[in-house]
Amino acid sequence: DVKVTQSSRYLVKRTGEKVFLECVQDMDHENMFWYRQDPGLGLRLIYFSYDVKMKEKGDIPEGYSVSREKKERFSLILESASTNQTSMYLCASSLHGPNSPLHFGNGTRLTVT
Amino acid sequence: AQSVTQLDSHVSVSEGTPVLLRCNYSSSYSPSLFWYVQHPNKGLQLLLKYTSAATLVKGINGFEAEFKKSETSFHLTKPSAHMSDAAEYFCVVSEDLSGGYNKLIFGAGTRLAVHP
Repeated sequence: DVKVTQSSRYLVKRTGEKVFLECVQDMDHENMFWYRQDPGLGLRLIYFSYDVKMKEKGDIPEGYSVSREKKERFSLILESASTNQTSMYLCASSLHGPNSPLHFGNGTRLTVT
Repeated sequence: AQSVTQLDSHVSVSEGTPVLLRCNYSSSYSPSLFWYVQHPNKGLQLLLKYTSAATLVKGINGFEAEFKKSETSFHLTKPSAHMSDAAEYFCVVSEDLSGGYNKLIFGAGTRLAVHP
């Protein structure tokens, strides 16, 4: 079974802090994704990566950056956390191809105070 | 651009009665469609997917969905609800991007409650 592991389940940070969310997958998937989930809005794509050191902006990249130095690890970085970044963050991975399903981690609930 | 609309934000059923979660999509070509389920405090799990083969797709836990191109719908059904089906369900359309990879576009979700 594919396992996608997010390093923290809950995180509380202060406004202005630099925040790192880590995600690791163990199935050699090429694609990795970061979504944020907010009530009534579904999942919105922040960034994705289709290969090591490659990254593409999703629908809401502002205020975020990512890093993919190794195939199995995809990090989301909040350069200067703000209260409107309080959310559930979900990492996912998949193989290449239009019909490849996503495999999700359990999420990181981030609160910025 | 592709989009997906889940017509109900909340659905409530009694245990043992049928479940219907509605989804409409817009797409300029034949899409790939998915349903995902999210149980409380968990990530999303794939229920089923449609990829232009049979229009009636069977998934896990007794769920199925029918692709109706004329109605641009992909509704999720189950004949008999179980308490463990209480969760949030997401309808998803796949948008193909250049380079051989795709982007998934999620609906807003439908929260299913099952009462004894």
